[in-house]
Amino acid sequence: DAEITQSPRHKITETGRQVTLACHQTWNHNNMFWYRQDLGHGLRLIHYSYGVQDTNKGEVSDGYSVSRSNTEDLPLTLESAASSQTSVYFCASSDFQGQDTGELFFGEGSRLTVL
Amino acid sequence: KQEVTQIPAALSVPEGENLVLNCSFTDSAIYNLQWFRQDPGKGLTSLLLIQSSQREQTSGRLNASLDKSSGRSTLYIAASQPGDSATYLCAVKRDAGNMLTFGGGTRLMVKP
Repeated sequence: DAEITQSPRHKITETGRQVTLACHQTWNHNNMFWYRQDLGHGLRLIHYSYGVQDTNKGEVSDGYSVSRSNTEDLPLTLESAASSQTSVYFCASSDFQGQDTGELFFGEGSRLTVL
Repeated sequence: KQEVTQIPAALSVPEGENLVLNCSFTDSAIYNLQWFRQDPGKGLTSLLLIQSSQREQTSGRLNASLDKSSGRSTLYIAASQPGDSATYLCAVKRDAGNMLTFGGGTRLMVKP
């Protein structure tokens, strides 16, 4: 079955370190998204991509970057981790081309703790 | 800017009850609306997706309705079960190429 996987599922790091969270989907979807989920803020969009070599900033993009070198992967990089970036991160994908409905599919999440 | 609100934030019901979860949005110009379920420590699972041209969608014991003009959607759960306990989120998409705006969710507890 097609799926979307995130790794690592849990990570603890120190302030100032660079961290990369991986996201891999096997649906061949064009669109991929990164969200963070925090108590009191719900799900907020960090970055998104509509295809290879395309990346866009979401509402909370400061301190994060993404790159899209192929259809399957959208890694999320924290250039210099801060305690405010402690959160649960979700990757998602969808495809609204053709007859597709634009339904969004989520990964299981990556819990990041920055000490 | 689209804002999505879910009331109540938490709900506790005895097993077997029929219940309704509410979702309201401020901008009626939407492309679709999606309901998700999230179990503790897990990702979001899509339950139902309603296109802007549709009034409702059904899947098993779940029925979601959409009233764009009033900016409201409801998720109806029939004959609730303890396994339905989870957080339910709604999200709206403004157009085909746009991202989703999420509500804060309703945390549902179904007591045996």
